[in-house]
This record gives sequence, C-alpha cells and structure tokens, in this order.
Amino acid sequence: GQNIDQPTEMTATEGAIVQINCTYQTSGFNGLFWYQQHAGEAPTFLSYNVLDGLEEKGRFSSFLSRSKGYSYLLLKELQMKDSASYLCAVRDSNYQLIWGAGTKLIIKP
Amino acid sequence: IAGITQAPTSQILAAGRRMTLRCTQDMRHNAMYWYRQDLGLGLRLIHYSNTAGTTGKGEVPDGYSVSRANTDDFPLTLASAVPSQTSVYFCASSDGGFDTGELFFGEGSRLTVL
Repeated sequence: GQNIDQPTEMTATEGAIVQINCTYQTSGFNGLFWYQQHAGEAPTFLSYNVLDGLEEKGRFSSFLSRSKGYSYLLLKELQMKDSASYLCAVRDSNYQLIWGAGTKLIIKP
Repeated sequence: IAGITQAPTSQILAAGRRMTLRCTQDMRHNAMYWYRQDLGLGLRLIHYSNTAGTTGKGEVPDGYSVSRANTDDFPLTLASAVPSQTSVYFCASSDGGFDTGELFFGEGSRLTVL
C-alpha cells in the first residue's frame, strides 16, 4: 500500500530552527509537496520538490532524497505565526496526491 | 480576488437527508477536487474532475456524487447522509499542469451528520 509518515506533533521555540521529516512509500513518484494549514483554515502551498536536493524559499527550505523516500521541511527563525500543521504529500505514478496526516507544530515564546 | 468559494461554511444535518456542498472557482482551472479531512488522517480524495464534463472517483467515493457542467462549478452531493460523513470538506483546484500542479483550496465546509 501507499504510505506517508510524518511526526504527529513537534514543539519548538520562537527564533529557533525546526526540521519536519516525511518518509514515503508510493507507487511511483512525480513530486513531493509541502502545505501549511493553520487551525480552522485551508491548506496553502509551501514547496514542491521533484529532483533530489534542497529548495530554499525565504525562511523555509525543503529537501528531497528519492532514493531514500525521504523529505524534510526546514523552518528557520521561527515566528509565532508558524504555529500550524504541515502536510506532506506525494504525487504517485497516476498523478494522484497521497497525503500524510500532518505534523502539528507548536511554537513557544 | 475570490479564488475558490465553498458553501455552506458549516452545516448540521440529520441522517438520511440529502445535502449538496457547493464549490465555485474563478481561476479558470481545469482540474477540481473534493477532499475530506478527518482528525488523525491525511486528506482523502472523494472525487475529482480533470476538465469540464468529466469526473472520476477518488479514494473514498461511496455515498458521494459530483457533477462538472462547466469549468467554474463542482458541487458535491451526499444522497443520504450518514454519521460517518461527519467531516471537514475541502474543494480544491489546479491548472492541471504537471510542473507543480499546486492545489488551491477553498476555506472548507464543516459538516455534522446526526
């Protein structure tokens, strides 16, 4: 079966750095996505990786290793507004998105 | 700029009743999707449409139906609601391209079936 694993919850301190991991087992691979979802709101797109390596976008970076079935989202200089759930999703060989359950990130002052 | 609009925002429904969740987008996106989101589970695809006039079944289609008469509208119908359909429903769209295929989501419809 297809599976996306990510930690259920993480806690970090304002101003620090946090890394949210995502491992996947899917039927084929056509890209990996990270979305941010604040409580009670819709998910919003953060990043897309299709080749191995690091993609940097401001305070957020996303890394992909296709051979290891692994990705991480790195958040730097954490702010209180970064408190949210972070969703990892993989597009499989049929171009369907398989979603992880999300990682709830709690930022403490 | 509206993007994707869903209605209603929330609804309490008696079991056995028929319910239609509305979804309208103004981005002229070809592809549209309906997901449900339940605590502890990832988003699960109910139905999708790659272009106007076509629809397809997702991971959890039973008890739901959709139509895509035009590019903008993609309503989701529960013919006879059951308590297990209590969930938050998100409509989404994308331009259908395979470069990123970023999804744009509506604000969600919270449905409670009693």
